[in-house]
Amino acid sequence: GAGVSQSPRYKVAKRGQDVALRCDPISGHVSLFWYQQALGQGPEFLTYFQNEAQLDKSGLPSDRFFAERPEGSVSTLKIQRTQQEDSAVYLCASSYSVPRIRDRVRYEQYFGPGTRLTVT
Amino acid sequence: TQLLEQSPQFLSIQEGENLTVYCNSSSVFSSLQWYRQEPGEGPVLLVTVVTGGEVKKLKRLTFQFGDARKDSSLHITAAQTGDTGLYLCRGGSEKLVFGKGMKLTVNP
Repeated sequence: GAGVSQSPRYKVAKRGQDVALRCDPISGHVSLFWYQQALGQGPEFLTYFQNEAQLDKSGLPSDRFFAERPEGSVSTLKIQRTQQEDSAVYLCASSYSVPRIRDRVRYEQYFGPGTRLTVT
Repeated sequence: TQLLEQSPQFLSIQEGENLTVYCNSSSVFSSLQWYRQEPGEGPVLLVTVVTGGEVKKLKRLTFQFGDARKDSSLHITAAQTGDTGLYLCRGGSEKLVFGKGMKLTVNP
């Protein structure tokens, strides 16, 4: 399909393990966003890429979280030394537009199905 | 910190009933979006409102943005089982704030 895809869909990690979550945005989409959605909550912003440049990483909860998008298409969210509080669904979204910060929400973002991470 | 509060948080109704969901904030937003999210899927955009007082209709769904651009409502007429899902509002700001969502269950 032509939508945003994420892999794996489910990941179980033991506390202390490192994990890597992949996002394949819609082809040609310039903007890419990562969100964290805890059970029963709305998504929370983690980080934003414009092509390969990470323009905003203010939502990353700790230095154990790292995201990259080296060629401006596929992105990887890496979590080092996972903790139980990292358990959540991690959503990726992409957008064709390159909005100004204050207008970011005006442009439709297409979300992937998410990766459900469970840390035991 | 900009917060969006949604109410009610949970709603279980019978098919054919009407309902209204509210999204409120103490902050002014440049625009506001409503999404629906089904289990195991990402949120899907329903509508974007940008002008205070704006009303948009999408079939049986009516969205309104408050005059002061601090609140919004979503009204569903004659709910159907296919309307079941998590309804999220999101405010337009630098931090792209989502509300916690309203989990709607429409029973046949």
